[in-house]
Amino acid sequence: QKEVEQDPGPLSVPEGAIVSLNCTYSNSAFQYFMWYRQYSRKGPELLMYTYSSGNKEDGRFTAQVDKSSKYISLFIRDSQPSDSATYLCAMSYNAGNMLTFGGGTRLMVKP
Amino acid sequence: EAGVAQSPRYKIIEKRQSVAFWCNPISGHATLYWYQQILGQGPKLLIQFQNNGVVDDSQLPKDRFSAERLKGVDSTLKIQPAKLEDSAVYLCASSLDSRNNEQFFGPGTRLTVL
Repeated sequence: QKEVEQDPGPLSVPEGAIVSLNCTYSNSAFQYFMWYRQYSRKGPELLMYTYSSGNKEDGRFTAQVDKSSKYISLFIRDSQPSDSATYLCAMSYNAGNMLTFGGGTRLMVKP
Repeated sequence: EAGVAQSPRYKIIEKRQSVAFWCNPISGHATLYWYQQILGQGPKLLIQFQNNGVVDDSQLPKDRFSAERLKGVDSTLKIQPAKLEDSAVYLCASSLDSRNNEQFFGPGTRLTVL
């Protein structure tokens, strides 16, 4: 079993839809949780960064962490074709530690 | 602010050949990471430097991979000899210091081993 699981997709939605992306993990020691967006042939770009449980909102993006369920989510409101990319969740035990990534979910937003 | 720079962007080699990748982190970032991303998977850490010292190289295949960051700025990652399964994107990332988790990634070097 992988430490961090993510549905690879692809997830196809119409423009304007609310998108929900999720990761589950097995190690309860993870404390820092991140979401990265990766466009084709580009490096990952940090979207959201959260510590421990709770919600964090930034524009159209909301990150949720439920440590009791070992489950994290990223919501994208009013999705745009430019949101089409692969979304990677990542987590670490402590600040500055190595990141453990999920395999990524490919999202396609159709005009 | 300039981002993380990597070169070359693409490299094609035969198996058993050697290859080297270069990374220049964001100015002032003390921590540098090399990741390997195989197609369809998330990045996997190979090695982490804090200035010019190695913090974590537990997942680096040391029989064929080596990395250095001699002056605490630029870094090179070398594979010698390459195997078919080394075909991947090699990503360099940097963060302000070892207490900071916000890692910024470069565009990567796409390696194909034939």
